[in-house]
Amino acid sequence: DAGVIQSPRHEVTEMGQEVTLRCKPISGHDYLFWYRQTMMRGLELLIYFNNNVPIDDSGMPEDRFSAKMPNASFSTLKIQPSEPRDSAVYFCASSPRTVRELSDTQYFGPGTRLTVL
Amino acid sequence: AQKITQTQPGMFVQEKEAVTLDCTYDTSDQSYGLFWYKQPSSGEMIFLIYQGSYDEQNATEGRYSLNFQKARKSANLVISASQLGDSAMYFCAMREVGNDMRFGAGTRLTVKP
Repeated sequence: DAGVIQSPRHEVTEMGQEVTLRCKPISGHDYLFWYRQTMMRGLELLIYFNNNVPIDDSGMPEDRFSAKMPNASFSTLKIQPSEPRDSAVYFCASSPRTVRELSDTQYFGPGTRLTVL
Repeated sequence: AQKITQTQPGMFVQEKEAVTLDCTYDTSDQSYGLFWYKQPSSGEMIFLIYQGSYDEQNATEGRYSLNFQKARKSANLVISASQLGDSAMYFCAMREVGNDMRFGAGTRLTVKP
């Protein structure tokens, strides 16, 4: 089975530009998570979806960030306008269970390395 | 408050030897889950092992085992017979009931030939 797929793997853009990161979760997984990883702050949860519905977006840093999940097989994280401090690795993860259980393992995609100049 | 603490920023181990990566956590819940992930230089996060707070036995997965000491709130990862391919960042994580997974800062393991 294919794992979580993210695109692009690397993105370099200039400050002020719009950036869209894409994720395809593992088929049959009901939960999708977006994380950001930086040296300073480690791995941070930005938002997660259950059955395509956003459940908790309290980790989204500011209004410049938005995430959508139009269907069970696709999600986007958009940054508009982008800033240099947004430079990080962005991970998408998915989880198989319909009920949040403690043993709920998240399977991560390869990440998108974003550099904003 | 910091929920997950990994006190070793970096660790070195000789190939074929065992190594223990430390993880302590903070929770007042009786029911929670503990996870370890590996992040090689290629960047992906790979799930390694899970331990539930009510599991009586320490979890094992191949060369990975979790030394779970509930009273001390520690969940150390033990890697036996280290291989060069084990060189990576290792993250400890915890989930409490109703909450999201929280990750530690990670430990960079280097396996020497």
